[in-house]
Amino acid sequence: GAGVSQSPRYKVAKRGQDVALRCDPISGHVSLFWYQQALGQGPEFLTYFQNEAQLDKSGLPSDRFFAERPEGSVSTLKIQRTQQEDSAVYLCASSSRTSGGYEQYFGPGTRLTVT
Amino acid sequence: GENVEQHPSTLSVQEGDSAVIKCTYSDSASNYFPWYKQELGKRPQLIIDIRSNVGEKKDQRIAVTLNKTAKHFSLHITETQPEDSAVYFCAASNGAGSYQLTFGKGTKLSVIP
Repeated sequence: GAGVSQSPRYKVAKRGQDVALRCDPISGHVSLFWYQQALGQGPEFLTYFQNEAQLDKSGLPSDRFFAERPEGSVSTLKIQRTQQEDSAVYLCASSSRTSGGYEQYFGPGTRLTVT
Repeated sequence: GENVEQHPSTLSVQEGDSAVIKCTYSDSASNYFPWYKQELGKRPQLIIDIRSNVGEKKDQRIAVTLNKTAKHFSLHITETQPEDSAVYFCAASNGAGSYQLTFGKGTKLSVIP
C-alpha cells in the first residue's frame, strides 16, 4: 500500500519567508509525528498528533513553528519568518496505534534550505 | 528526558563479516527500541525493533539484543553485504505521553566488497 508521502521534497526559502510543509500519512493511521533532522544527526522530535488533537508540541524550537492536522489525516508544518538555522530535513512519521511501542513509518522528508 | 548514546559513529567491515552497533539509554521507563536504516537522501526505514519484555529478537541476518538492567541494546548484522552500507539509527520510546522516539546520532556502516 501507499506509504507516508511529503511535499514538497525540496524547498528553498529566503530568510524571513514563511514556508508550509505537507504530510500525507498512511491511510487510517491515528498517530502522526514531525521530526527535524539536521545534517549528519538523528531525527529530533518536534510535535505529535493523535487524530486532529495536537497532544505534544514540546519539541517545537520556537513560536515560529506551527503544526496542524484539522481533519485527522493530512498535516501541515508551517515555519514563519524562516532563519538559516531552520535549514534541515523535516520528516513526518505515522503510526497505527495510539499507545506507545508501535512502529513509526517515515516519509521521505522535505529538505528545507534557508538562504 | 530520554538520552540515547550510539557507538561507533563509523564502522567499516569486509563483506561477509559481522557488524555490531551499540546504544545506551537513560530513561528506565523506556520500553520500545527500534532500529532504522537510512540510505543517503532516503527516508529512515524500520528494520527491526524490540520491546522491553523480550531480551533478543532475530530476523534473518539481523538481530537485536536488549539488556534492561544495564540500559543498553545492540544491533547485530551477520554476513554483511554491500547493500547493508547505510547510516543506522537506534531509538527509544517510553510508550507514554507522546510516544516520541529519541534517536541516537547514527552509525555510518560501510561494507567493503
